[in-house]
Amino acid sequence: QVQLVESGGNLVKPGGSLRLSCAASGFTFSDYYMSWIRQAPGKGLEWVSYISSSNFTIHYADSVKGRFTISRDNAKNSLYLQMNSLRAEDTAVYYCARDQFPPNPEYGMDVWGQGTTVTVSS
Amino acid sequence: DIQMTQSPSSVSASVGDRVTITCRASQGISSWLAWYQQKPGKAPKLLIYAASGLQSGVPSRFSGSGSGTDFTLTISSLQPEDCATYYCQQAHSFPLTFGGGTKVEIK
Repeated sequence: QVQLVESGGNLVKPGGSLRLSCAASGFTFSDYYMSWIRQAPGKGLEWVSYISSSNFTIHYADSVKGRFTISRDNAKNSLYLQMNSLRAEDTAVYYCARDQFPPNPEYGMDVWGQGTTVTVSS
Repeated sequence: DIQMTQSPSSVSASVGDRVTITCRASQGISSWLAWYQQKPGKAPKLLIYAASGLQSGVPSRFSGSGSGTDFTLTISSLQPEDCATYYCQQAHSFPLTFGGGTKVEIK
């Protein structure tokens, strides 16, 4: 079935780094645009980053620009988020999600992973 | 950045009641809006796309309307399984932004 599975979340000290992965299955990953979205404990959803199917278009939230890098490997059906210079405020559950009908973002994100937890604390 | 403002932040209603959630964009976004439902400990689920399109598999008691800056999500007859937090999200321009959420509870 269509599925996204995140991994890589962990406890890390401020200033540290972490790499999140999102493994896709059940669909042609290379056709879809993907996003990372996070949710701090008890808070709402915050979009983090976006990548088009061919890596041509990439966007970041201002809160992570210059510290996080999104990438994908279509041969491995995988999406990544390299997180550097981590701060306490990056503590959150991180979800990957796919755009339903790229390149039409108004159709929303129809498949989400279960999330992976990143905790930044000394 | 486009700010998305949802109201109310929480609502308590009885089973069978009609529930309406509003979402206002800080600038016009045409129909580039989606609605999501999130239950505790779970990932968000897409309910409505392009402001009024019902996502496949979503019960018909859910509906969306609006364009420009003002949007509405309506649950026509609240069911116990609808207890959740609902978020709007604009897809008009980057950065993508979500509303603050509306928590729906059964009275």
